[in-house]
Amino acid sequence: GAVVSQHPSRVICKSGTSVKIECRSLDFQATTMFWYRQFPKQSLMLMATSNEGSKATYEQGVEKDKFLINHASLTLSTLTVTSAHPEDSSFYICSARDGQGGSEQYFGPGTRLTVT
Amino acid sequence: AQTVTQSQPEMSVQEAETVTLSCTYDTSESNYYLFWYKQPPSRQMILVIRQEAYKQQNATENRFSVNFQKAAKSFSLKISDSQLGDTAMYFCASTGTASKLTFGTGTRLQVTL
Repeated sequence: GAVVSQHPSRVICKSGTSVKIECRSLDFQATTMFWYRQFPKQSLMLMATSNEGSKATYEQGVEKDKFLINHASLTLSTLTVTSAHPEDSSFYICSARDGQGGSEQYFGPGTRLTVT
Repeated sequence: AQTVTQSQPEMSVQEAETVTLSCTYDTSESNYYLFWYKQPPSRQMILVIRQEAYKQQNATENRFSVNFQKAAKSFSLKISDSQLGDTAMYFCASTGTASKLTFGTGTRLQVTL
């Protein structure tokens, strides 16, 4: 089955620093990847959609200068949280859509970010 | 735009019994897909079942089945012979041509002995 990995699984950083989260599709090519944010006991909120080789499309209310997304290859997308603040602490999940045109998204295991 | 509504924040079912989780949705798209995802304590999102809107036949996957009522925009999930491992958050979701998933608020299912 399609596998998506995320690294790191947990990260703690200090306020004002930046942190990068990687999302990789391990056994398929992902033309489209999605980044979600999930607060405790809440649903997943889509932050942005990234397509390989083009700029990410951000959802309304998501600061594109704060959450930098790069989708440089068909198997890798990165989310960089810049100048992190405690309110950025959350669970970040990526998903990837098979480039063969399937409707299904395959999810990574998530990254817990804590900003101190 | 799409909206997904799950009106049951929490549900409980005894092991081996059957439980139905409710979901309603709204969409302006003619071609769309509906999903149920499971999120156990590990927080890994797991696809439970998928339904193409153009198919009238309800999807089934082993102990999991859906009741898809297109006119009513209803998409409920039935879990038969519930197992302790079914304890999780269950999210209903829809996607259209843009492939963006819209999630409901989730139903926390507890399977008890």
